[in-house]
Amino acid sequence: DSGVTQTPKHLITATGQRVTLRCSPRSGDLSVYWYQQSLDQGLQFLIQYYNGEERAKGNILERFSAQQFPDLHSELNLSSLELGDSALYFCASSQTGQPYNSPLHFGNGTRLTVT
Amino acid sequence: AQKVTQAQTEISVVEKEDVTLDCVYETRDTTYYLFWYKQPPSGELVFLIRRNSFDEQNEISGRYSWNFQKSTSSFNFTITASQVVDSAVYFCALSEPGGYQKVTFGTGTKLQVIP
Repeated sequence: DSGVTQTPKHLITATGQRVTLRCSPRSGDLSVYWYQQSLDQGLQFLIQYYNGEERAKGNILERFSAQQFPDLHSELNLSSLELGDSALYFCASSQTGQPYNSPLHFGNGTRLTVT
Repeated sequence: AQKVTQAQTEISVVEKEDVTLDCVYETRDTTYYLFWYKQPPSGELVFLIRRNSFDEQNEISGRYSWNFQKSTSSFNFTITASQVVDSAVYFCALSEPGGYQKVTFGTGTKLQVIP
């Protein structure tokens, strides 16, 4: 158990809809990351937050947004969903946000299916 | 640009055989970090090891061992006396300084251990 909690585990929704994925980082971790894993794209970095502030953006679509709250949990909002958004979405956390002193610990992921 | 190549898409071995998963990386930086993650059928990503570019010592952890060779830009992972529980997808990843937005994952090697 990595200590990173993601909910829900599975989500099935229709095209055009909006969903929210939730992540609670490990106790003591200040940084949260979101990754998308799809069959054709592999693991893609979406966005990183550190102590409530956005730190880095990867290949995140404009239809997607995220935030990190004062209690350090994070939410990833996906809107105007398309079939191609179907994927496994991972949240990861690390203590400091820098790879040289704290590795990423991943949650179990949320499997999103858009029909 | 950084790149991680896991040329072996799928490997099948019989239980108790040794197996080596290859990872070759490309980077222009002299300081970087390499990781291995395991993704069992249940879907979560489990952190296995982190190695920085200045530490070329091989590492052994139980049945797992890692061989880091800067001369060939490889960071190979060997499982000794494989077990069915080792069946998973294994990802090699590379991180350059500057934060996790620069972590690049390989496409993964699916290992199936047959009883």
